[in-house]
Order: sequence, then structure tokens, then C-alpha cells
Amino acid sequence: QSVLTQPPSLSAAPGQRVTISCSGSTFNIGNNYVSWYQQLPGTAPKLLIYENDKRPSGIPDRFSGSKSDTSATLGITGLQTGDEADYFCGTWDTSLSVVVFGGGTKLTVL
Amino acid sequence: QVQLVESGGGVVQPGRSLRLSCATSGFTFSSYGMHWVRQAPGKGLEWVAVISYDGNYKSYADSVKGRFTISRDNSKNTLFLQMNSLRPDDTAVYYCAKEGAGLASDHWGQGTPVTVSS
Repeated sequence: QSVLTQPPSLSAAPGQRVTISCSGSTFNIGNNYVSWYQQLPGTAPKLLIYENDKRPSGIPDRFSGSKSDTSATLGITGLQTGDEADYFCGTWDTSLSVVVFGGGTKLTVL
Repeated sequence: QVQLVESGGGVVQPGRSLRLSCATSGFTFSSYGMHWVRQAPGKGLEWVAVISYDGNYKSYADSVKGRFTISRDNSKNTLFLQMNSLRPDDTAVYYCAKEGAGLASDHWGQGTPVTVSS
């Protein structure tokens, strides 16, 4: 059971927009920055979003992040087949003094 | 460019020890916190441990506390994870990751697999 809650799976058609939610508490998302990671099959995770809504260089603006209270959201527009991957949210948990991740969302682009 | 290369994984019997290394290059290693994150087969990411840039602060997941030790050698730009009393549920791919802005892990190694089995 992960500290952060994500939907296990989502699917959408190419070209569509999808949002992935990440729910936590005041001890983690509510008081700390959220980051998002993409893990393509058989590869290491890759940072997509940091500090809730910032993109590292090289990440297209099709990817966006937002945070409100104790929840965060990753948005992906103009879906491509290459976006099929697992997506994880992560943050620091102040009460536990550990990093916590969501259980991951498997995105299928039909 | 930033590079992180893990090594030291392998197959080990329950109760034995293993030491993972993460050789880094392309950034000022001594200025950044570093993390170990693992992923069991078919499962999600599980954070394992963090060490501050100077080694003075360390934190561990409850699942490994008392058994694993994170350390670093800033003179050799290398991160370590000493794993003792290994259990079958420690079987996973172990990634090292560099800490960036907002405590995000902005660069990851390719991972090294650890299998604990008799």
C-alpha cells in the first residue's frame, strides 16, 4: 500500500489529453514539492516534472504538472504511442522523513 | 553529461551481504544528495535511502532500516549501499539517483539487479 495514491491504469487514444492524479496528505504533498517520473518498458525512470510544475530541459510542453492542497496532477496532451509507460509521482514525507512514491499508473495509448 | 553507473548486483543467498556501488561523472558529486531506489519485478518504485551531499544526514525506508547502510566517497565520486541480512523480498533492480531541485531525482542510473534466493 503506497503512501501516495494513483490510479493503477489509464488508457486514451492518440492525440487525446489525459490526466493522472496523485493523492496524499498534509505530511507529504500538502507541504512538499511533487515530482513526476516516466518509466518506459525496460528502462530506468526519467524525471518529467519537478517542483510541482517545472519541466527539465528536453521535456516537451505536452507534459504539465499541477498541485492543489494534498493532490497533484500530471497532464499529457497530444498523446503519442511513445507515451505508453508507467508514471510515478513522488515527494518527501515530513512526518516519516522518507521519500514516498505513488504506486504508479500504467498508461496505454490505444 | 551526467552519468550514474551502478554495479555490484547479483544472486545472493538469504542472510548474506552485498555492496552496491554507483560511479558518477559529469557533475560536482560532493554538492548533491544521492538516493537509492529499488523496483521489485513487476512492481512500482520503492525508495530505499538518501544521503546528504556531505554524508552527515542519512535516512532509510523502514523496510531496510538496520540492515542497509548508505555511504559515499566524495573523493571518488561514488555512492554505496551496503546490504546485510538480505531477504527474498529485497529482490529488485536497484537504482541510484542524483537529487535535484525540489528534492526530485533528476538523473538515474541504469540499475543493477539483486536476486536473493537459496
